[in-house]
Amino acid sequence: EAGVTQSPTHLIKTRGQQVTLRCSPISGHTSVYWYQQALGLGLQFLLWYDEGEERNRGNFPPRFSGRQFPNYSSELNVNALELEDSALYLCASSLNNVGYTFGSGTRLTVV
Amino acid sequence: AQSVTQLDSQVPVFEEAPVELRCNYSSSVSVYLFWYVQYPNQGLQLLLKYLSGSTLVESINGFEAEFNKSQTSFHLRKPSVHISDTAEYFCAVSDLTSGGSNYKLTFGKGTLLTVNP
Repeated sequence: EAGVTQSPTHLIKTRGQQVTLRCSPISGHTSVYWYQQALGLGLQFLLWYDEGEERNRGNFPPRFSGRQFPNYSSELNVNALELEDSALYLCASSLNNVGYTFGSGTRLTVV
Repeated sequence: AQSVTQLDSQVPVFEEAPVELRCNYSSSVSVYLFWYVQYPNQGLQLLLKYLSGSTLVESINGFEAEFNKSQTSFHLRKPSVHISDTAEYFCAVSDLTSGGSNYKLTFGKGTLLTVNP
């Protein structure tokens, strides 16, 4: 069984640009969660999608957005990138909230 | 709202020594509890979880954690660590509130376990 896959693995963007990160959940998992892991800040919850709907959102500005497709894959979009957006972005999937399976993450560097 | 406190940001130990990584949580409802491990430059891997039943849960690589409801703790222990256990360990809680609005994991800030030869 394939795990949670994220792409790209690494990304370098310039301040002010926009970025799209992608996540494919484990087959059969309907929930996708996005977390930001910035240096020194731990894991911060960004977004939760389930059955194509945004179910919950963390304390992030509106320039962080996303969506979930009918096949349950998901995209995270970040507009107007700022230097402090540099972080590891982790996607996880879950079937029934008894634990997540994480992908390996996308390392975003904003310069 | 739920929260997780990992009391030690760094724990250095020598190989073959015992270790305990502490985790306390705060929640007004029943919870699921998890420990995840993150090796350098990798994502998080589930180490073990408490959902219900026996309060002592074990992983396949020798770690164990005990759920203590009265002390709201879920400390992680290993009787003898290896160099390969060097990693960052995250405690997480998910409450069982119905309705779905809280169906997310809240993580502690992590404990960096460094095992020295």
